Amino acid sequence: DAKTTQPNSMESNEEEPVHLPCNHSTISGTDYIHWYRQLPSQGPEYVIHGLTSNVNNRMASLAIAEDRKSSTLILHRATLRDAAVYYCTTNPTLLGIQGAQKLVFGQGTRLTINP
Amino acid sequence: DTGVSQDPRHKITKRGQNVTFRCDPISEHNRLYWYRQTLGQGPEFLTYFQNEAQLEKSRLLSDRFSAERPKGSFSTLEIQRTEQGDSAMYLCASSPRGTGGYNEQFFGPGTRLTVL
Repeated sequence: DAKTTQPNSMESNEEEPVHLPCNHSTISGTDYIHWYRQLPSQGPEYVIHGLTSNVNNRMASLAIAEDRKSSTLILHRATLRDAAVYYCTTNPTLLGIQGAQKLVFGQGTRLTINP
Repeated sequence: DTGVSQDPRHKITKRGQNVTFRCDPISEHNRLYWYRQTLGQGPEFLTYFQNEAQLEKSRLLSDRFSAERPKGSFSTLEIQRTEQGDSAMYLCASSPRGTGGYNEQFFGPGTRLTVL
């Protein structure tokens, strides 16, 4: 399973952009890159995913390096509610079943947002 | 749709006792996953069900652990003869059948187990 490496913690100010990096140098060609976040006392929550191209959704943007060995989650205007642990994960497909993947989590980045 | 629910939310038990946790996935989600999360770490995959069939089990799932999903709806995770090392948050997630190569997983709030 491809391992991911993230900084243990990052800090930013409210209403400023945040760039959360992730290295996944051993990722295979068919593994998706996902980001989940976990607020205190809650289960992880999906943020965004991608395979090769950059992706945008209402929550964030995902920039994927051309060689796919790294990616960056971008929160365009951080709010206090974005304070959480952010996990970059890969997902090896289980048993070749399309759409069935186990998420392989690293230790995540604890994001602190200052008011 | 109320999301994935787990019961109980907290469980304190003595070493050697058996415990059982329940997970109710989002209705019509045919895929169900169990993960375990220890303090300060990311979740670790334990097992995967597609409908009622348990198709993958992690090496982390020792003989003392058993999971079932008898009718392809709710699932139970039982730990026999609990040990202090079993203390963790046990997370359940579900995802829909879908037709693409990726399906978002929806997580429940977890069951926090403390073994004394």
